[in-house]
Amino acid sequence: LAKTTQPISMDSYEGQEVNITCSHNNIATNDYITWYQQFPSQGPRFIIQGYKTKVTNEVASLFIPADRKSSTLSLPRVSLSDTAVYYCLVVLNTNAGKSTFGDGTTLTVKP
Amino acid sequence: DTAVSQTPKYLVTQMGNDKSIKCEQNLGHDTMYWYKQDSKKFLKIMFSYNNKELIINETVPNRFSPKSPDKAHLNLHINSLELGDSAVYFCASSLHLTGELFFGEGSRLTVL
Repeated sequence: LAKTTQPISMDSYEGQEVNITCSHNNIATNDYITWYQQFPSQGPRFIIQGYKTKVTNEVASLFIPADRKSSTLSLPRVSLSDTAVYYCLVVLNTNAGKSTFGDGTTLTVKP
Repeated sequence: DTAVSQTPKYLVTQMGNDKSIKCEQNLGHDTMYWYKQDSKKFLKIMFSYNNKELIINETVPNRFSPKSPDKAHLNLHINSLELGDSAVYFCASSLHLTGELFFGEGSRLTVL
């Protein structure tokens, strides 16, 4: 399974766009990239998933270059409530459980 | 209604004791999981059941035994608790073997 590498922490200010990059050099052909958000004392919550190019939903965008060795989660105009840990996850398309959570990036949004 | 619920939320116990954590999902999902999150926030898969069959059993001590009485429930029993078992245990489910994982709120186990 592909190992993922993310920055340990990031700081931002309210209203800014935040980009968190995840490296997954050994991603396999059948793997998807998924991002989860975790608040203190809660379980992780799904944000977005993609295979290649760009995916956008109501909360985030996911950019995946052609070689798929990295991905970038983009959070537009963050607010204080976006302060959380963000996990990049490479998911085997035949078994979501056989997936490796990254170490997570602690995003702190300041006023 | 909570989609994935775990009980108890907190558990404090002595070394050597046996304890259980229960998980129930009302999403109609086929697959359920147990994850362990240690003090450094690393999330690791422990077990996965699909339609009540064990499909993932990572390198977990034999003291940990999952049981799935039906598709909506996955319980975790731990024998002879050790200090290193202290962690937050998360139950999760997904519709099938692939797809979005829905996590419970976690059960914080503290072994003294």
